[in-house]
Amino acid sequence: NAGVTQTPKFQVLKTGQSMTLQCAQDMNHEYMSWYRQDPGMGLRLIHYSVGAGITDQGEVPNGYNVSRSTTEDFPLRLLSAAPSQTSVYFCASSYSWGGGTYEKLFFGSGTQLSVL
Amino acid sequence: DQQVKQNSPSLSVQEGRISILNCDYTNSMFDYFLWYKKYPAEGPTFLISISSIKDKNEDGRFTVFLNKSAKHLSLHIVPSQPGDSAVYFCAARSGANNLFFGTGTRLTVIP
Repeated sequence: NAGVTQTPKFQVLKTGQSMTLQCAQDMNHEYMSWYRQDPGMGLRLIHYSVGAGITDQGEVPNGYNVSRSTTEDFPLRLLSAAPSQTSVYFCASSYSWGGGTYEKLFFGSGTQLSVL
Repeated sequence: DQQVKQNSPSLSVQEGRISILNCDYTNSMFDYFLWYKKYPAEGPTFLISISSIKDKNEDGRFTVFLNKSAKHLSLHIVPSQPGDSAVYFCAARSGANNLFFGTGTRLTVIP
């Protein structure tokens, strides 16, 4: 049971570079999301998707793009990396979301990103 | 503005004793609350949850208490074990909206 898989685990970028953080889940979950964790800030929602072809912004979306072409995959793209994007990124999924269904999130193990 | 607050960044408890982790929230529309546990180099994992229609939910050694009038919830771990040493995040949501997380409390259980 792989669950939620994130790659890479570590990444160092230079300011201005672009990259994609990969996230895949094998649980047939409809809902997927990306969070970033910063010291003293907790986990903050970047973008989320309630199903293939549907994405929306979270709390801190600036500088990031997402797409959801399949149920399994939800990549996060950094368009032009900035030092402020140095963080730990977590992908999470759940079977469904909303409509009175209180589904718990399953998290990946995270990507530690440093932007120099 | 932080809608979910965990004011204690760390807590140390002796093995076998009770651990009490606290969480405060400001949004009265929150109707579902969760606790997640996180070990180093791993993602958070779900621990226990409570709906706003309840004031207590128990699962083995873990109990969550909700005081809606005070906008406060707490997680009790009894008895505490060394394997409980981790960072604990409180989270809350309202209806179909997204989760808001607290900043976490690092629990250390001393053998």
